[in-house]
Amino acid sequence: AQKITQTQPGMFVQEKEAVTLDCTYDTSDPSYGLFWYKQPSSGEMIFLIYQGSYDQQNATEGRYSLNFQKARKSANLVISASQLGDSAMYFCAMREGNYGGSQGNLIFGKGTKLSVKP
Amino acid sequence: DSGVTQTPKHLITATGQRVTLRCSPRSGDLSVYWYQQSLDQGLQFLIQYYNGEERAKGNILERFSAQQFPDLHSELNLSSLELGDSALYFCASSKLAGDEQFFGPGTRLTVL
Repeated sequence: AQKITQTQPGMFVQEKEAVTLDCTYDTSDPSYGLFWYKQPSSGEMIFLIYQGSYDQQNATEGRYSLNFQKARKSANLVISASQLGDSAMYFCAMREGNYGGSQGNLIFGKGTKLSVKP
Repeated sequence: DSGVTQTPKHLITATGQRVTLRCSPRSGDLSVYWYQQSLDQGLQFLIQYYNGEERAKGNILERFSAQQFPDLHSELNLSSLELGDSALYFCASSKLAGDEQFFGPGTRLTVL
């Protein structure tokens, strides 16, 4: 069965510093997708970044980058130059099913609560 | 604003009752997903529809059902409600099944 593990329940980072949030996954499918979402205290889920299993390069979106190590089955999120507004829960997720297939639901990890200190 | 709308934002009801949660996907998105977020279970996938047809089922209870209408909006029906059904229910949408999903603001259900 597919599984996502986030081992850091909570993390602190100083404003303007970089932080890495860990995510490991387990799947036997050769084709899969990995996602990171941010959930502020207001509750909405905000899509941050996506990495496909066949993508050759690590994904980047502004201050977010995904450190994808396929052999280790890890997909860590790196946030550069942390801001106070980055304080939130961060969820790593994996898509079940192949891209373009009929199924695309996500399996989520338990999340990491990031607190940015001024 | 993700473009996905959900109503109502909050819902308070009693055990044994039935409620309907509504979701409108982003314009052009054909896939709709329902997720439940609770403190003990985390974020769990319930059910997926694609262009009106059910495509995948997760940990959805038999007391729960859903449908997607021709205009692509979706409804999640929860019946015989129990205290443990109290949770945040999210709807998400995507163009194709594998694309990134955009989440609505959620419906917070409280069962008393």
